[in-house]
Amino acid sequence: KQEVTQIPAALSVPEGENLVLNCSFTDSAIYNLQWFRQDPGKGLTSLLLIQSSQREQTSGRLNASLDKSSGRSTLYIAASQPGDSATYLCAALFSGAGSYQLTFGKGTKLSVIP
Amino acid sequence: DVKVTQSSRYLVKRTGEKVFLECVQDMDHENMFWYRQDPGLGLRLIYFSYDVKMKEKGDIPEGYSVSREKKERFSLILESASTNQTSMYLCASSSPGTGNEKLFFGSGTQLSVL
Repeated sequence: KQEVTQIPAALSVPEGENLVLNCSFTDSAIYNLQWFRQDPGKGLTSLLLIQSSQREQTSGRLNASLDKSSGRSTLYIAASQPGDSATYLCAALFSGAGSYQLTFGKGTKLSVIP
Repeated sequence: DVKVTQSSRYLVKRTGEKVFLECVQDMDHENMFWYRQDPGLGLRLIYFSYDVKMKEKGDIPEGYSVSREKKERFSLILESASTNQTSMYLCASSSPGTGNEKLFFGSGTQLSVL
């Protein structure tokens, strides 16, 4: 069974710190990997999408990387701010999955302390 | 920007009631999805559709049905609501393509079945 794992489940950092969120997956045959942000009681917002042919994507203070051979993706957040506090989820689209069925991790809840 | 609108933020229903959750997207996306999100279990796919009048079962379709009569609208139906269907329900949409398509979510409906 294809799985996506995010460890740790929760992370607390002081404001201004650079941080890395981790995502691992069990099958290297993926089409893409997305990172999402979810605020409490809200839906998910797509932050970055990395195609299987890419190694990283950047948007502002966010940088996501993909290493298929090791089954890992990371989301790097530079100069963290209290407004970055949210749950971050990664999701993989595996090759052979029917009709764009993403497999989601359970998320890392990030708290940035002022 | 893509907008995915779910008709209700909060719903409270009685056991045995028939419940309709509505979702509308404004970007002409072919693919639409219904997920439920529960603490500790993450997001689980209930049903999805990649064309009008087309539907496919996800991981947990039991107790649910869907309707897609128009491209922009995807409805989730709880035929006879039960307490174990208390959850956050999330609708999402995407365009078809080659694996570079972001998934866009609505704000969610928190359903309580009493």
